[in-house]
Amino acid sequence: AQSVAQPEDQVNVAEGNPLTVKCTYSVSGNPYLFWYVQYPNRGLQFLLKYITGDNLVKGSYGFEAEFNKSQTSFHLKKPSALVSDSALYFCAVRESNYQLIWGAGTKLIIKP
Amino acid sequence: ETGVTQTPRHLVMGMTNKKSLKCEQHLGHNAMYWYKQSAKKPLELMFVYNFKEQTENNSVPSRFSPECPNSSHLFLHLHTLQPEDSALYLCASSQDRESYEQYFGPGTRLTVT
Repeated sequence: AQSVAQPEDQVNVAEGNPLTVKCTYSVSGNPYLFWYVQYPNRGLQFLLKYITGDNLVKGSYGFEAEFNKSQTSFHLKKPSALVSDSALYFCAVRESNYQLIWGAGTKLIIKP
Repeated sequence: ETGVTQTPRHLVMGMTNKKSLKCEQHLGHNAMYWYKQSAKKPLELMFVYNFKEQTENNSVPSRFSPECPNSSHLFLHLHTLQPEDSALYLCASSQDRESYEQYFGPGTRLTVT
């Protein structure tokens, strides 16, 4: 069965520092991978996806993610964190029936 | 705003009540979804509708009953719920069920007393 793991419940980063939110996956076949963000009292918003091609994917709000097939990882990154990046981040992988399998989420806290 | 609205935003109901959650999307999409979000747990897909036809029911208890009268509206009818059903219920839509990107509403915070 396909699965997604986000090993950190919470990540704390100082404003201006680079940030990484980790995601690992287990799939059969080629993975379709996604990152979504949830701001307080809001629904989830799509950030970026990896389907095929370049291992470094660029998305919204300056975020990017690196697909690493050998490590089965899809970590979310940003070179310089903003306080407004504080939110809940979800990684997901798509199954063959088009359903998304979600991670449990990582709370990102950016401190001024 | 994402173009997906949900009402009510908050709902408190007793275990013997009957209530309904409403979702409306203004994006012209053909697929709609209900998810359950509990703290520190992965999102749980409950139901999927594609072109008004239910395509998925992920072993959801019968006390949850979905309805999709047209491609723009989705309801979740609730009856005889349990306290463990308290959660954030999210509605989402996509162009169709094969589309990569889903658009989410803000959710309904449900508390069962």
